[in-house]
Amino acid sequence: GESVGLHLPTLSVQEGDNSIINCAYSNSASDYFIWYKQESGKGPQFIIDIRSNMDKRQGQRVTVLLNKTVKHLSLQIAATQPGDSAVYFCAEILQGAQKLVFGQGTRLTINP
Amino acid sequence: DADVTQTPRNRITKTGKRIMLECSQTKGHDRMYWYRQDPGLGLRLIYYSFDVKDINKGEISDGYSVSRQAQAKFSLSLESAIPNQTALYFCATSGRGYRPQETQYFGPGTRLLVL
Repeated sequence: GESVGLHLPTLSVQEGDNSIINCAYSNSASDYFIWYKQESGKGPQFIIDIRSNMDKRQGQRVTVLLNKTVKHLSLQIAATQPGDSAVYFCAEILQGAQKLVFGQGTRLTINP
Repeated sequence: DADVTQTPRNRITKTGKRIMLECSQTKGHDRMYWYRQDPGLGLRLIYYSFDVKDINKGEISDGYSVSRQAQAKFSLSLESAIPNQTALYFCATSGRGYRPQETQYFGPGTRLLVL
């Protein structure tokens, strides 16, 4: 069935350090994966996505890695800033489907 | 996210009452969605609509109904609210692109408490 989950519910890092948020998925038919950021009191915001035929994609300070062998997705944030504090969700889209399946979320806290 | 607005932003109601949450968008998008978020959990899809005449159930549609009154408006109703429907509700929109998930814009959310 559709299942997207996260290894850790909370993560704290020092400002300026790099952070890695992990996500496991169970459906090998998923062909799109997305990371969303949700700040307190706001709706989720798109960060970056990756197709299943890729294993890495980079954005501004963010990198998403996809390991299809172990069905694992990660979001790396470089040189974290206080504004990176938020809950991060991974989500997947099954091949041929048009809707997202969200994971549980990881709360990232940036310590000064 | 002012392009997607939700009303009300907060609502307290009693068990058995009928509640309507409204969503409006000025992005010109055809696709609209309603999600529910519970503490510690990700968003779960309640209903979605790809155009005015199209309504589809999501993974947790029981106890909810929707109405797509116009391209820009998509409302969610709880016909008889129950306490376990206490949650944060999000509306979202997306365009017709091949990668619609990339353009899925979320509203600010409605916090609902059912007593």
